[in-house]
Amino acid sequence: DVKVTQSSRYLVKRTGEKVFLECVQDMDHENMFWYRQDPGLGLRLIYFSYDVKMKEKGDIPEGYSVSREKKERFSLILESASTNQTSMYLCASTVYSNEQFFGPGTRLTVL
Amino acid sequence: DQQVKQNSPSLSVQEGRISILNCDYTNSMFDYFLWYKKYPAEGPTFLISISSIKDKNEDGRFTVFLNKSAKHLSLHIVPSQPGDSAVYFCAAGGTAGRRALTFGSGTRLQVQP
Repeated sequence: DVKVTQSSRYLVKRTGEKVFLECVQDMDHENMFWYRQDPGLGLRLIYFSYDVKMKEKGDIPEGYSVSREKKERFSLILESASTNQTSMYLCASTVYSNEQFFGPGTRLTVL
Repeated sequence: DQQVKQNSPSLSVQEGRISILNCDYTNSMFDYFLWYKKYPAEGPTFLISISSIKDKNEDGRFTVFLNKSAKHLSLHIVPSQPGDSAVYFCAAGGTAGRRALTFGSGTRLQVQP
């Protein structure tokens, strides 16, 4: 079974803090993705990576950065958290672009 | 501009009846379509997919229909069960261009016992 794990299920941070969200997959997948899910907006792609040290911007990259130093780990970084970044963050991985496997999500609240 | 649209935010059906969830897309470059199911506090799980070279794919109680000329797909669940109550996301991808999926806004299905 593919397993995608995320470092925290719930996180509360203050405005201006630097936030790290970690994602690890155990299936040697090349492609990894970060989405955020908001009511009425579905899942929106923030960043994705198709190889170690490679990254591409998704639809809403502003305010975020990513790091992929190892194949199994993809980190999402909020350099200076803001209240409009309160959301559910979902990490996914896949060998191909279809049938992505998702982690359980991190619900981030920025106060 | 949303390239994948789910115009019904919610749907309620009786147990045992058919649930039909709809999805429209605008980008003709999409050639692969998927449905994901999401329970609260969990990540989405893959349900069923269809390639653009087909017009129907069936897996047990779940069938996905694709109408390329109308840029429309639908998910049929027959018979619906209370455990099917969840948010369903339609997603689209392509072999050319970026590797990520484009998701719709989701439809919350409630199956009444």
